[in-house]
Amino acid sequence: DIQMTQSPSSLSASVGDRVTITCRASQSISSYLNWYQQKPGKAPKLLIYIASALQRGVSSRFSGSGSGTDFTLTITSLQPEDFATYYCQQSFSTPLTFGGGTKVEIK
Amino acid sequence: EVRLLESGGGSVQPGGSLRLTCATSGFTFTNFAMGWVRQAPGKGLEWVSGVSGSASTTSYAESVKGRFTISRDNSQNTVSLQMNTLRAEDTAVYYCAKDAGDSGNYFTYWGQGIQVTVSS
Repeated sequence: DIQMTQSPSSLSASVGDRVTITCRASQSISSYLNWYQQKPGKAPKLLIYIASALQRGVSSRFSGSGSGTDFTLTITSLQPEDFATYYCQQSFSTPLTFGGGTKVEIK
Repeated sequence: EVRLLESGGGSVQPGGSLRLTCATSGFTFTNFAMGWVRQAPGKGLEWVSGVSGSASTTSYAESVKGRFTISRDNSQNTVSLQMNTLRAEDTAVYYCAKDAGDSGNYFTYWGQGIQVTVSS
């Protein structure tokens, strides 16, 4: 199974900050990496697919990059509605696997 | 508008069974794979199972293989998860999710989730 490791597990940031979350795969997954946002008590929401493609309707504050084993989710100018937990997920092979999550909290 | 609505959750004793069903609408059901993802209390997301649009291919997490069975009814636009020999560690919110395609293996729409509690 492909292991997905996210860092940090949590971070505190202020409105307007630039935030970067990293995700590392235990083996190369090409660009088969997706990012989700989850708010408490809600279902996850797809933000980025295939490493860097912005899901329709998602703010351009969100961007993704990377390939192989190392990937990044960047949020430029953090907004109040962005405080949530973020998960990466590899779609290279089954079993599909998620990272452990990064909780973005208000500083 | 795409809609996914799970039903069938609840509380069950260890060793028991439950059947989750996800009713869908708003898209051409047979064109898309479907999956189930769960989230234990206070934990992260765990993929459980997936089924192709034609139902010809299914896949499972090792943790549920042999105990859970995924199926779909393309005439009713539903996908189900039969869960047998349930364990305490199966306690979670279970989400039904729509794949981006027939084997995109990532999820563009999610249901609201349904609670499954396994406890004596």
